[in-house]
Amino acid sequence: NAGVMQNPRHLVRRRGQEARLRCSPMKGHSHVYWYRQLPEEGLKFMVYLQKENIIDESGMPKERFSAEFPKEGPSILRIQQVVRGDSAAYFCASSPSEGWNQPQHFGDGTRLSIL
Amino acid sequence: DQQVKQNSPSLSVQEGRISILNCDYTNSMFDYFLWYKKYPAEGPTFLISISSIKDKNEDGRFTVFLNKSAKHLSLHIVPSQPGDSAVYFCASGGTSYGKLTFGQGTILTVHP
Repeated sequence: NAGVMQNPRHLVRRRGQEARLRCSPMKGHSHVYWYRQLPEEGLKFMVYLQKENIIDESGMPKERFSAEFPKEGPSILRIQQVVRGDSAAYFCASSPSEGWNQPQHFGDGTRLSIL
Repeated sequence: DQQVKQNSPSLSVQEGRISILNCDYTNSMFDYFLWYKKYPAEGPTFLISISSIKDKNEDGRFTVFLNKSAKHLSLHIVPSQPGDSAVYFCASGGTSYGKLTFGQGTILTVHP
């Protein structure tokens, strides 16, 4: 009964490179969410996706960041031309649907470090 | 604009006693609330949730209380155990589909 799987767990990139973070939701979950946690802060919502659709991207920076959840395969959070300020822990969560009685379940995150 | 606030960065409690973690929110559009526990280098783990139509929800040692008029919720853990030592986040949802707004977290330390 696998939970939400994120990979890689740690990712090191140099400034200007691209970072790709992957998330496989729990079995039976079709809703995926991405959050970012900066040091000493809480998690900040980035984007909410269902299969092949972006439902809410109000937390995504307008430039360099994109997300997808294709019909087949994991959800991908892509950061182009990374900068030092992108260093953070990125968490993916999934749920079978929306609402208080369908809590989001989180993966263990990808720690992104920018050199 | 911090819509969900956990004003206590840390809390220290003796094993067996009650732990009370507090959370305040400002957005009256929130209609459900959740508590998560997080260990270092792991993702948040769901603990308990409550809908805005209720004022209390209980699950084993964990009880969440909601005071809508005060825009305040609290998590009670009784009895506290050393394994409960972690960062606790409250989160609110309902303003838009799927989006959760998190507080900054409270570090709970339970001493044996």
